[in-house]
Amino acid sequence: QKEVEQDPGPLSVPEGAIVSLNCTYSNSAFQYFMWYRQYSRKGPELLMYTYSSGNKEDGRFTAQVDKSSKYISLFIRDSQPSDSATYLCAMMLTGGGNKLTFGTGTQLKVEL
Amino acid sequence: GAGVSQSPSNKVTEKGKDVELRCDPISGHTALYWYRQSLGQGLEFLIYFQGNSAPDKSGLPSDRFSAERTGGSVSTLTIQRTQQEDSAVYLCASSRRRGNEQYFGPGTRLTVT
Repeated sequence: QKEVEQDPGPLSVPEGAIVSLNCTYSNSAFQYFMWYRQYSRKGPELLMYTYSSGNKEDGRFTAQVDKSSKYISLFIRDSQPSDSATYLCAMMLTGGGNKLTFGTGTQLKVEL
Repeated sequence: GAGVSQSPSNKVTEKGKDVELRCDPISGHTALYWYRQSLGQGLEFLIYFQGNSAPDKSGLPSDRFSAERTGGSVSTLTIQRTQQEDSAVYLCASSRRRGNEQYFGPGTRLTVT
C-alpha cells in the first residue's frame, strides 16, 4: 500500500462546475500538505500549502486538511478549461528541508 | 524573478552511456531537491541538498546515481551506465533554507534506448 493514495481519474467536468480532488494517507506524522498543478510536459506548480488541519482559501481554490481522518481535499470553484491539468497532492513529515511524498496525481479535464 | 531552470530539456542516450543533468535553483534558495517522475512510479524523491551538503540521499535507486552541488547553487545529477529503466523525467526543486514550499523546474526528459 502506498503512503499517499490518490484517484488517478481522469475526471471530466463541465465549465463552471465545482471540482473536488482528494488524497488519503497512512502516515499520521505528516504535518505539511501541498497541492501542485502539472500541465502536460511541464514541471509541477505549487498551488496551495497548508500546515496541520484546517482550511485555506486562495481565489477559486480551497484546501482542506483533516488529520483525524488522514484525508486532504482541494476544491476548485467555477472551473475553467485552463484548469485542465494533473493535480498532485504532496506531504512532508517535518519542516525545514525535507522530502515530499506525492500522490500519483488526478487528471482533470474541464470541458466547454 | 527567474524560477528553477534545468538542462537539457530532453536527453536521448544509449544504454550503458553516462549522462549529466543540470539544475539551477532560484537565487537565494539554499535547499535543492531532485525527484524522478515515471509512469509506473509517480513522483519519487531522490536526494536533498542543504548548501553543498546532502543530508538525505535515501532516494537514490542505485550506486549508478550520484549528485553534487557546488557553490551552494548549481547541482548536477549523474547517472552512470544508464539502463532502460532509468527513462523518466528528472525534476529539480528548490526552497529557502527553512522553507517548506518547494518550487519545481520544468524537468529533463531522459530516454534510454
